[in-house]
Parts: sequence; C-alpha cells; structure tokens
Amino acid sequence: DGGITQSPKYLFRKEGQNVTLSCEQNLNHDAMYWYRQDPGQGLRLIYYSQIVNDFQKGDIAEGYSVSREKKESFPLTVTSAQKNPTAFYLCASNPRGPAKNIQYFGAGTRLSVL
Amino acid sequence: ELKVEQNPLFLSMQEGKNYTIYCNYSTTSDRLYWYRQDPGKSLESLFVLLSNGAVKQEGRLMASLDTKARLSTLHITAAVHDLSATYFCAVDTPGSGYALNFGKGTSLLVTP
Repeated sequence: DGGITQSPKYLFRKEGQNVTLSCEQNLNHDAMYWYRQDPGQGLRLIYYSQIVNDFQKGDIAEGYSVSREKKESFPLTVTSAQKNPTAFYLCASNPRGPAKNIQYFGAGTRLSVL
Repeated sequence: ELKVEQNPLFLSMQEGKNYTIYCNYSTTSDRLYWYRQDPGKSLESLFVLLSNGAVKQEGRLMASLDTKARLSTLHITAAVHDLSATYFCAVDTPGSGYALNFGKGTSLLVTP
C-alpha cells in the first residue's frame, strides 16, 4: 500500500535534547512538507522540500532542521533551541503534477516535553 | 501575507439541520482544499476545488469556490453525528513550494 509513514506516533523530549521525527513515503512524490499543529489551531509550515538535496524554511523554521538525502525520506529534527516543541507534527507530500496539488498526510507524531 | 479565515470556529448543530461553513482568503488563488480531522487523527482530504465556480459534493457535504470573492463554502445538509469533526480549508502558496496555508478550522459537533 502506498502512503506516508511517520514514526514514532508519540515522542517525549527532555530538556536540552534533540529529537528526530521520521517521515517516509513510497508514493514517488517529489515534494514533501512538515507542518506543526497546536491545539485549536490550523497547521503551520515548518519546512518544505521540492527535490532531493534541497529544502526551504517555512513560516516557523526556528528551532528545527531537516534533511532530504533520499526522495522518499524527509526527517525533521526538533533541536534544543525550540523552546516550546509540544505539538502535533504532520508530514505531507504531493506529486506536483500539473494543475494538481493534492497533499497526502501521514498519521502524525505527537511530541511532548518531559 | 496570505490569510485564510474560517467562520464559525465552533459550531454545534442538531441532527437533520443544514449549515454552512465559510472560508475567506486574502490573495488570488484558483485552488482551495477542504480537509477533515477527527480528534487525535491526521487530515483527510475532502475536496479539491480547482477553478472559479467549482462545486463538489460528497454525501451530505457540498463545497463551492468563488475566486472573485475569494470565498469558499462548505455546506452541510441534514447533519448526522458522524459528521462531527474539525474541518479545515486551505489555499496553496506557489511561493512556498505549493505548501498549504490553513485556516484555524471549524470544530463541528452534531447532537441528537
């Protein structure tokens, strides 16, 4: 089955610790995205990547880092510089086909601070 | 800055009633998306509206797009409890790799 796999489903971070959220897709999509959702809020863009080895900051990139070494993988690292990391993190991808931009979402990772 | 505004943000309605959720956005765009989110879950795509005047229907939900007014509506007909969820509209942003810019969501509760 094609889709987007995020892991882990739940993650706890200690003070001063970096943690990495995994996002893997087997849809052969070029573009991938990371969004953050806070309670009662819409999603906000953290980072996006349109092609392997290239990525761009979104609206709230501070305290986060990403890599795109393979087309199917777009991991997100929440660094210790992110002072309020507790949120629901969603990874998405889209095929960037002409006149289409249907984003497919993973199941999400819920990050909490210990 | 692109803004996407939904209203209402909270909606409690009785089963069998009709209601409309509104989505206004602040920049020109021909494409608008509606998603559904159940508590603790990811987003499920409901509708993709790709041009002015587009109308799509699925079951008790119907979405429309007026790009001139920068307005999309999600109409609920004869609501049932299973429609209880949070509904988001979103507009894509070409300058950000076509990332989606979301409204804050409308939390819908359908009661007997």
